[in-house]
Amino acid sequence: AQSVTQLDSHVSVSEGTPVLLRCNYSSSYSPSLFWYVQHPNKGLQLLLKYTSAATLVKGINGFEAEFKKSETSFHLTKPSAHMSDAAEYFCVVSDQYSGYALNFGKGTSLLVTP
Amino acid sequence: SAVISQKPSRDICQRGTSLTIQCQVDSQVTMMFWYRQQPGQSLTLIATANQGSEATYESGFVIDKFPISRPNLTFSTLTVSNMSPEDSSIYLCSVEAGESSGANVLTFGAGSRLTVL
Repeated sequence: AQSVTQLDSHVSVSEGTPVLLRCNYSSSYSPSLFWYVQHPNKGLQLLLKYTSAATLVKGINGFEAEFKKSETSFHLTKPSAHMSDAAEYFCVVSDQYSGYALNFGKGTSLLVTP
Repeated sequence: SAVISQKPSRDICQRGTSLTIQCQVDSQVTMMFWYRQQPGQSLTLIATANQGSEATYESGFVIDKFPISRPNLTFSTLTVSNMSPEDSSIYLCSVEAGESSGANVLTFGAGSRLTVL
């Protein structure tokens, strides 16, 4: 079985400060991990993915995530938040047996204040 | 990657009625996926729809409640039947993002937000 836990349902940061969105996963097999972002009234957009290559993954819009097997974590970070980063972020896991049956976390709502 | 159009984008429905959501993709895809996002919750896979075969439903979802059509490689519909307020959710269509995006990567439509009174 596989699952993800997003440790914070809401995160609030000031514009220009670092962003940290936390995600822990559980998987019986080598996982593939993703972060998706959902802006209001828009479809989900892939930010980045980890699929057993480099453990530090760089995505779009300055986001990156580090796969830490020892900690079963895949936290999403960004050095400096922008107002346009305000959105819902989902950590997602799959493995070679689940294929496209992605397992989504409950989401973290990121608020960016001026 | 593929571009997905969903209709309707939102609707308000009466209890006991049914609503059909349409998903149109700008390219041919083998598999199409239907997800549900209940208020304040994460996304849950309802079913996988392959062209020319019956949809495969996940645990907790049945064909009588969520019939799916997949008449060709660019189109699918999901019907929410005999709706109750518990069916109020965002329903999202998704497809494989394409080989260049890598394995298990999906592209999502903007979703259809249903409110059942």
